This record gives sequence, C-alpha cells and structure tokens, in this order.
Amino acid sequence: KQEVTQIPAALSVPEGENLVLNCSFTDSAIYNLQWFRQDPGKGLTSLLLIQSSQREQTSGRLNASLDKSSGRSTLYIAASQPGDSATYLCAVRFVNNNDMRFGAGTRLTVKP
Amino acid sequence: SQTIHQWPATLVQPVGSPLSLECTVEGTSNPNLYWYRQAAGRGLQLLFYSVGIGQISSEVPQNLSASRPQDRQFILSSKKLLLSDSGFYLCALSPGNRGLGANVLTFGAGSRLTVL
Repeated sequence: KQEVTQIPAALSVPEGENLVLNCSFTDSAIYNLQWFRQDPGKGLTSLLLIQSSQREQTSGRLNASLDKSSGRSTLYIAASQPGDSATYLCAVRFVNNNDMRFGAGTRLTVKP
Repeated sequence: SQTIHQWPATLVQPVGSPLSLECTVEGTSNPNLYWYRQAAGRGLQLLFYSVGIGQISSEVPQNLSASRPQDRQFILSSKKLLLSDSGFYLCALSPGNRGLGANVLTFGAGSRLTVL
C-alpha cells in the first residue's frame, strides 16, 4: 500500500531557529514529491517540487531533499519566522497511481 | 497564470439535502482536474479526477458524484448529504499536456461544508 507519513504531527519552535520537517513514503517508485503550505481554513500553496531524478530543491529559506531509495524527504526551514506558522503537507506522486498521496501534515508554530 | 475559483466558500446544509460545489479554472487548457476532501485532523483524500470533458474517475465509493461539463469546469454533487460528508473540499489542477506523473498540483481556496 502506498502511504505517506509525516513526523512530527506538531512542532513549536522559537523564532530564529532552523528546523526540519520529515516525510516518509512506502514505495520508492515515484514520479515526484511536492511540499505544500496550508494556512488555517485556506487552500494549499505549493512550496517546492522535487522530481524523482533530483536530490533537492531550494527556494529562499526553504530547502527540500529527497532520498528515494530510503523513502524519505525533509523540508528544512532556515531562520524561522512567526509568518512561517502553518501546516506543512508532503505529497507523493507514486508510479502507477493517478493521484498524489498526502501526509497528514506537520503543524508548525513559530513563537516570536 | 493558472487560477482556480471555488464556490461557495462556506456552506451549511442539513442532512439529506443536495449539494453542488463548483470549480472553474483559468489560464490553462485541457487541465487534469481533481476533487480532494480534507476532514478535520486528517490528510487529503482524493475523491475524483478528470482528464477531460465528461471523463470522471472515482477513487472511493461514496454518495458523492462529479461532473465535468466543460473543459474548465468541475462540479461536485450529492443528492442526499450525510453527516460524514462534512469537510473541506479542495479543487486542484495539473497541466494536461503532460502525463499525470510529472505535474505540479495547484489548489483552489477550498469550500468548507458543514452538514448538520
């Protein structure tokens, strides 16, 4: 069964800390992996997309890595800010599957 | 740029009433369209996807249905709502000129449905 798991479910850090969010998936046969941000009551905003042939992607203070063989991805947020507070979702597009499988998300709180 | 419009944004309906949620997209042609549901505290669940007009695939058995009467319109419906239909419904698209495997998903703002 193709599943995506995110740990931890919730994370609280003081402003300025660097932090890592984890995503694991059960099948290494993937097309791509996408990280999203969701603010309360809002839709999802795409942050980074990593194709299966790539190892990492960077956008500003965000860096996402992909280790397909071990079924893991991490989202690294540098110098966290209160505005980073949101739920972060990992989604994987598995081969031979028509949709993206989502993790349950990590709810991040950055305290000023 | 691609834009997704969803309405209504919020809806409160009694059990047994019908439902119609609408999604329209701009800035792209022949997109792949998706309906996801997000229940409280849970991940997103794919309900339906469509690769073209009149082409609907269902991922889970339920009392919901979807239709795609036009290239850029995707509708989620129910004849009789259940309490368990409450949730946050998200419409999404990916470019249709490439295979399903390679595309980035773009989401609408969502429709929050409460069934009482």
